[in-house]
Amino acid sequence: DGGITQSPKYLFRKEGQNVTLSCEQNLNHDAMYWYRQDPGQGLRLIYYSQIVNDFQKGDIAEGYSVSREKKESFPLTVTSAQKNPTAFYLCATLKDRMGTEAFFGQGTRLTVV
Amino acid sequence: DAKTTQPNSMESNEEEPVHLPCNHSTISGTDYIHWYRQLPSQGPEYVIHGLTSNVNNRMASLAIAEDRKSSTLILHRATLRDAAVYYCILRVNYGQNFVFGPGTRLSVLP
Repeated sequence: DGGITQSPKYLFRKEGQNVTLSCEQNLNHDAMYWYRQDPGQGLRLIYYSQIVNDFQKGDIAEGYSVSREKKESFPLTVTSAQKNPTAFYLCATLKDRMGTEAFFGQGTRLTVV
Repeated sequence: DAKTTQPNSMESNEEEPVHLPCNHSTISGTDYIHWYRQLPSQGPEYVIHGLTSNVNNRMASLAIAEDRKSSTLILHRATLRDAAVYYCILRVNYGQNFVFGPGTRLSVLP
């Protein structure tokens, strides 16, 4: 089955540590996105990538970093510079610039302890 | 970016139609109207989208006002599985991000 796999589903991190969230897709989609969702809120864009080896900052990129070395993979690193990292993180894909339907993964819930 | 306004919450009885409104008074001519829904602890899923004409699919119908400043998502017979947060969003620029607001939390009563 084609889809988006985010791992792990739950992640705990100590303050001051970097952590990397995985997002893998086998939909052969060009564009990939990372969103953050806080309780009771909508989604806010962190980073997006329209092609391999290229990515752009979203609205809340500070404290995060990404890479896009392969079409299938778009990992997100939450660095120690992110002051309030506890949140639900969602990865999404879009077939291409003309795509009309975004596909989302099941999310990773990150908790700082 | 053009924004949307939705009620925070709505209630419906099971097997009755549900009309979820969305206002987007600053919409531009090339913005598509998209609807997504999010079940608890899951990622959003696509429901429907349209530009000017009303649209139907197996999940729902989308009614778009003639001036395009508002739209309504119609679930013809609500089921308990339709309880979710529904997001009305505008697609601003191909390839750019989808701007999600807080959405409408729909409760379906048995």
